[in-house]
Amino acid sequence: GESVGLHLPTLSVQEGDNSIINCAYSNSASDYFIWYKQESGKGPQFIIDIRSNMDKRQGQRVTVLLNKTVKHLSLQIAATQPGDSAVYFCAERGGYQKVTFGIGTKLQVIP
Amino acid sequence: GAVVSQHPSWVICKSGTSVKIECRSLDFQATTMFWYRQFPKQSLMLMATSNEGSKATYEQGVEKDKFLINHASLTLSTLTVTSAHPEDSSFYICSAPGQGAIYGYTFGSGTRLTVV
Repeated sequence: GESVGLHLPTLSVQEGDNSIINCAYSNSASDYFIWYKQESGKGPQFIIDIRSNMDKRQGQRVTVLLNKTVKHLSLQIAATQPGDSAVYFCAERGGYQKVTFGIGTKLQVIP
Repeated sequence: GAVVSQHPSWVICKSGTSVKIECRSLDFQATTMFWYRQFPKQSLMLMATSNEGSKATYEQGVEKDKFLINHASLTLSTLTVTSAHPEDSSFYICSAPGQGAIYGYTFGSGTRLTVV
């Protein structure tokens, strides 16, 4: 959904545990959703995506769940590693191929 | 895979001057380029959409005369921050729908602008 300029919430996870990052999106007409990882000073890096006609998609160590009823998206990271520490954004595609980003969550992995 | 090259990666300029940021699609043609701005510890905010051969479309609240966008070719889109002020200091990122991937988007590496 549209970011309202709030500061990023932080999720701290012990190394080896699973992480769940949640996101609420705003546009019920969005047809495609993406999770991005952003490290400091760099552009967003694609993690996984899901189309609106699906409710779950799995990648390597990551799973995205989509609940259109409540406009909720989640990213699950299995066996979280220190290299997973970054800021994670959900994004939705609406009209004119525009991709808008959610607020983001900072993931801190505790060794 | 599709690559968008963004330059410069960082720039420092004096208040009142203009700065141009370039994004090039290296191995595909980008008829559309999205420009984002990101303030520290905040999300990416869509500023505008550039379209090759036509005028850019700006999001609500973004000043057209301050953020000039040009998309003169299928491989180059530019954002010029005119009469820059310290409050324009931010991280600017471009993004294009990727070639060969119906839904994929490719991002540039970003430009850190600091106005002093």
